[in-house]
Amino acid sequence: GAVVSQHPSWVICKSGTSVKIECRSLDFQATTMFWYRQFPKQSLMLMATSNEGSKATYEQGVEKDKFLINHASLTLSTLTVTSAHPEDSSFYICSAFLGQGGTEAFFGQGTRLTVV
Amino acid sequence: GQQLNQSPQSMFIQEGEDVSMNCTSSSIFNTWLWYKQDPGEGPVLLIALYKAGELTSNGRLTAQFGITRKDSFLNISASIPSDVGIYFCAGQFDNTDKLIFGTGTRLQVFP
Repeated sequence: GAVVSQHPSWVICKSGTSVKIECRSLDFQATTMFWYRQFPKQSLMLMATSNEGSKATYEQGVEKDKFLINHASLTLSTLTVTSAHPEDSSFYICSAFLGQGGTEAFFGQGTRLTVV
Repeated sequence: GQQLNQSPQSMFIQEGEDVSMNCTSSSIFNTWLWYKQDPGEGPVLLIALYKAGELTSNGRLTAQFGITRKDSFLNISASIPSDVGIYFCAGQFDNTDKLIFGTGTRLQVFP
């Protein structure tokens, strides 16, 4: 079946540095990918919609200059957390649908970011 | 961001018992989905519902898409220890692919 892979699975970084998280669709092309953030014991909150070849669409309250999204190919979207702070520590998860309007979303395994 | 109301927030049950959880929304959705998330992992799709009133089963799991399109429930019959995890409902609006997640139900099963 379709697989979405995230890398890295976990990362620890110093406050003020930037961290890049990759999301790949392994056996299908995804024109659209989604980035979610999940704080401990909470639900997944959509951060942004990543569109291949165009600008990402950010949800209200998500700083686009802080969370840079690049979707340069049909199988790769990246999320860069710039100038990370401890409050950015969270579980970041990406997902992709099989085809436009597809309703079966496949999720990556998530990336645990800890900013110290 | 928007979230769906899911209840109960947590459940502690004995192995073999049946479980029921539900999800409500103030918005109408065209698709309802149910996911299970294990610790440190991404969500895994359990059941997808595409039509109001639809009742769908997947093994011991049964889910229904409410007639009003503003709610859904998930039942798990004869629970087993590996059912432990967090269950999320998710709604999808028409013509967009993004999912709105519920607040989650944490299930604990005791042998």
